[in-house]
Amino acid sequence: DTAVSQTPKYLVTQMGNDKSIKCEQNLGHDTMYWYKQDSKKFLKIMFSYNNKELIINETVPNRFSPKSPDKAHLNLHINSLELGDSAVYFCASTPRGGSGTGQYFGPGTRLTVL
Amino acid sequence: SQQGEEDPQALSIQEGENATMNCSYKTSINNLQWYRQNSGRGLVHLILIRSNEREKHSGRLRVTLDTSKKSSSLLITASRAADTASYFCATDGASNTGKLIFGQGTTLQVKP
Repeated sequence: DTAVSQTPKYLVTQMGNDKSIKCEQNLGHDTMYWYKQDSKKFLKIMFSYNNKELIINETVPNRFSPKSPDKAHLNLHINSLELGDSAVYFCASTPRGGSGTGQYFGPGTRLTVL
Repeated sequence: SQQGEEDPQALSIQEGENATMNCSYKTSINNLQWYRQNSGRGLVHLILIRSNEREKHSGRLRVTLDTSKKSSSLLITASRAADTASYFCATDGASNTGKLIFGQGTTLQVKP
């Protein structure tokens, strides 16, 4: 199936740990994004890569580091996890950079930090 | 500050009724988009309306845009139980980076 996929779907971990979330899209899109959705459903962009190049880097703690090994993959590594990192993280993609098209979202990764 | 605000925050209607959700934003835009999110799922793109358009239709969806008032509305006609979801508007803040700024969403419940 063509889609944006994320792994894992659920992630429960202790404070201070380091964890990674993976995202893959097989839509042939050039641009990928990471969003964070908090408990009140507020969705905020974190990062965006266009063909492996970082183009959006919002005010995010440097404990969060995105990595794009190729344009089909955008991973998110989080160091020294804190309670406030608990949220649902969504990956998304678009055919190209810019805002002229809708974004395709993955199913989300629910991160719980204990 | 947050770009979009949606109204109402929650809406409950009977199947067959129409549902209207409103979105206000603060800056210039190139376009405005609407997304649906079913519980526990990712967002699904519904419709995009450009700043030079005033109205757009897609199936049972009708979106209006008033750039002078910096507001948009989403109308779902003849609602179905399957339309139960959260609906979000998103604007691009007139940037060309693809960055979207989302509203806090309207939670719609359609009762069978």
